[in-house]
Amino acid sequence: GESVGLHLPTLSVQEGDNSIINCAYSNSASDYFIWYKQESGKGPQFIIDIRSNMDKRQGQRVTVLLNKTVKHLSLQIAATQPGDSAVYFCAEPPLSGGYNKLIFGAGTRLAVHP
Amino acid sequence: GAVVSQHPSRVICKSGTSVKIECRSLDFQATTMFWYRQFPKQSLMLMATSNEGSKATYEQGVEKDKFLINHASLTLSTLTVTSAHPEDSSFYICSGGQGGAYEQYFGPGTRLTVT
Repeated sequence: GESVGLHLPTLSVQEGDNSIINCAYSNSASDYFIWYKQESGKGPQFIIDIRSNMDKRQGQRVTVLLNKTVKHLSLQIAATQPGDSAVYFCAEPPLSGGYNKLIFGAGTRLAVHP
Repeated sequence: GAVVSQHPSRVICKSGTSVKIECRSLDFQATTMFWYRQFPKQSLMLMATSNEGSKATYEQGVEKDKFLINHASLTLSTLTVTSAHPEDSSFYICSGGQGGAYEQYFGPGTRLTVT
């Protein structure tokens, strides 16, 4: 079935280090991917998105890389800060379609240690 | 911009009662609103999609008669959990989208506890 999965459920990093969060997707026809950040007890917050016609997109301290060959997506956070501690989800439109629907991956918890 | 609010943020109700959760887009018109449920340490599971003025589309396995969704205006959608049971206890999150775009703007969530 369709799935947007993650390799690592928990990632612990030291403050100041770079973080890489990975996501494997199964829908090779997906043309859009989003990364969301969810802090404890809050709703998800948009971080960055990428379309399938791109391999890389950069934001402020974040970079998303898309490898369509192996259906792999990654989120890189530079100089990780304690405020980056949260659960990160990748999301993509479902195989079944549906107007603007998104299917979320399992999530990776990022723990930043001082 | 693109702020979504939910009310209430937390609610405790007794088994068998109904609970209504409101989702409002404060600074944009949400042509589509989505309702998700999230259990502890799990991902968001889409429950239903609603378009303003039309019936909601429910995901497979979600009981439409139990989770009543109304999207009466471009800024308000409500989710009513009818005859709630303890297994309905969860974190309910709504989001709003603008036509033609995949990006969704999420509310802060509502923690429902059924005793």
